Amino acid sequence: QQQVKQSPQSLIVQKGGISIINCAYENTAFDYFPWYQQFPGKGPALLIAIRPDVSEKKEGRFTISFNKSAKQFSLHIMDSQPGDSATYFCAATYSGNTGKLIFGQGTTLQVKP
Amino acid sequence: DGGITQSPKYLFRKEGQNVTLSCEQNLNHDAMYWYRQDPGQGLRLIYYSQIVNDFQKGDIAEGYSVSREKKESFPLTVTSAQKNPTAFYLCASSAGTGRNTGELFFGEGSRLTVL
Repeated sequence: QQQVKQSPQSLIVQKGGISIINCAYENTAFDYFPWYQQFPGKGPALLIAIRPDVSEKKEGRFTISFNKSAKQFSLHIMDSQPGDSATYFCAATYSGNTGKLIFGQGTTLQVKP
Repeated sequence: DGGITQSPKYLFRKEGQNVTLSCEQNLNHDAMYWYRQDPGQGLRLIYYSQIVNDFQKGDIAEGYSVSREKKESFPLTVTSAQKNPTAFYLCASSAGTGRNTGELFFGEGSRLTVL
């Protein structure tokens, strides 16, 4: 019940295209859903996050869509750029979980020029 | 600049040796975490600490040990009991529990290879 399942494992997109990464969870107590971006040899960095009181959050070219009834959330990267090539992790947690994040398996995105 | 410093960046170990990975933060964060990253498995929690002199096991604590003697430091020892220690180790910190739960700040990682 603590798992977060992420797909696809890898993704190749042409420059200018839309990248979509999906995550699903079981624990209905989760109330915070961040996405992290990791470049090779670096630590992950927070990209964007959402709470279940909204269905969508947009920051620049990055959008999180959240479907509470389906227990799914997804990251959309519009107008994908080669500089977006990285590994993306979804995660989930709940208040009172002592800050522990449960991470998805990760998606390696390659944006071809 | 505020952040998390991990050292060493690369470390080679012979089987049977203990090694200690350093993690220092100057963000004045209460909570610190150690994650292990393996290809295709995401990030798995090894240990975490919410306050000085206190820490808890995560999902994969066997073969690891930690200490939290100072707020800014959270070293991880990979012991010889860890069956498969070759991995990328990430240290993180956060301001603590509450509304901002989940905003982790990561170091740049330490890559451990067992020869």
